[in-house]
Amino acid sequence: GIQVEQSPPDLILQEGANSTLRCNFSDSVNNLQWFHQNPWGQLINLFYIPSGTKQNGRLSATTVATERYSLLYISSSQTTDSGVYFCAVISSYNFNKFYFGSGTKLNVKP
Amino acid sequence: SAVISQKPSRDICQRGTSLTIQCQVDSQVTMMFWYRQQPGQSLTLIATANQGSEATYESGFVIDKFPISRPNLTFSTLTVSNMSPEDSSIYLCSVRDSVTEAFFGQGTRLTVV
Repeated sequence: GIQVEQSPPDLILQEGANSTLRCNFSDSVNNLQWFHQNPWGQLINLFYIPSGTKQNGRLSATTVATERYSLLYISSSQTTDSGVYFCAVISSYNFNKFYFGSGTKLNVKP
Repeated sequence: SAVISQKPSRDICQRGTSLTIQCQVDSQVTMMFWYRQQPGQSLTLIATANQGSEATYESGFVIDKFPISRPNLTFSTLTVSNMSPEDSSIYLCSVRDSVTEAFFGQGTRLTVV
């Protein structure tokens, strides 16, 4: 199966700071999504981004499929951004399985 | 986007008992999945819930321990059987159509004592 690696594993920010989270994947993908898991365990969809760039408020994401990586940008971070960010992909060769990275745990301090 | 209602949101159960988790979607979807997230870990796929037939289980998961039903295209249940403290996890239902965007329920936080 596809290997999905996220970095950094942990990140501590001061409120108002910017950050970049990275997701590397080992093979061709048809789907890539970024999720935010809040402290209650709920997975919130951030971006569906198999390629290209998207923006939603203070968040934006870029996927370069040919180079097998995706970036999630968080600008002007807020304490509510705290939680775990997951990247997940679907292989171009097996549509059944969604492969998750190990996540980036973000802690935004006031 | 699909709206998923997952119940219960949390439960504390005695070891040796079973818990059934329900997942209801507001529209018909092709694919439904069940995931487990152990404390501090990423998500692991338990099985794909197939409408009208037996679920497809991932390596390390068996039907006797995690029986799954999917009677129609909008509903599925996962049962965690004969629970032990090692089953304490968040269990999540997910839906998608082929390679399109996946959506998750709010999760069931299970504690086994």
